[in-house]
Amino acid sequence: AQKVTQAQTEISVVEKEDVTLDCVYETRDTTYYLFWYKQPPSGELVFLIRRNSFDEQNEISGRYSWNFQKSTSSFNFTITASQVVDSAVYFCALSISGSARQLTFGSGTQLTVLP
Amino acid sequence: DGGITQSPKYLFRKEGQNVTLSCEQNLNHDAMYWYRQDPGQGLRLIYYSQIVNDFQKGDIAEGYSVSREKKESFPLTVTSAQKNPTAFYLCASKVTVNQPQHFGDGTRLSIL
Repeated sequence: AQKVTQAQTEISVVEKEDVTLDCVYETRDTTYYLFWYKQPPSGELVFLIRRNSFDEQNEISGRYSWNFQKSTSSFNFTITASQVVDSAVYFCALSISGSARQLTFGSGTQLTVLP
Repeated sequence: DGGITQSPKYLFRKEGQNVTLSCEQNLNHDAMYWYRQDPGQGLRLIYYSQIVNDFQKGDIAEGYSVSREKKESFPLTVTSAQKNPTAFYLCASKVTVNQPQHFGDGTRLSIL
């Protein structure tokens, strides 16, 4: 069985601060995919990134960066110079390669960026 | 624009009533999914469908039913057997395995 843990339920930062959202996963499969989604107050989930288990390179996209470490089963997400528009719930998710079935979601981290 | 359309945005159910949530996609995706989200929790899978006229139960299928008569449509019925239906329901689709799922805007269901 797969499991995703986002231990930080809520985080508040002041605008322009950097913030890191933690994600730890469990799976016995060797080939899998990790995802991050953003859920703004409007409710829809917005896809941010997909990373496969064989690619441990860190990725940067604008103010967003992701650190994938298989040794610690973590896939952390950092927002640099946070902005009020970054306020949302962020979900980390895991799927097994070749499975059409589902994503296993963490419980989410509510990020509030204060002006 | 291509996307996933869920309707209605808000829905109220009376005791003993079945209600149907609509999900339509024009992305030409094969697989479609229904998730339930409760406050402060992640998403839990209700049902999913990989092809037309076929669907499988997810983790919390009891009290729900679905159909997949057309590739574009995957409606979810919340039956009277679902005793705690108040939640936010999200529909998703994806083109093939290992690709990210794309989500609709959700339907918020409440009990009258």
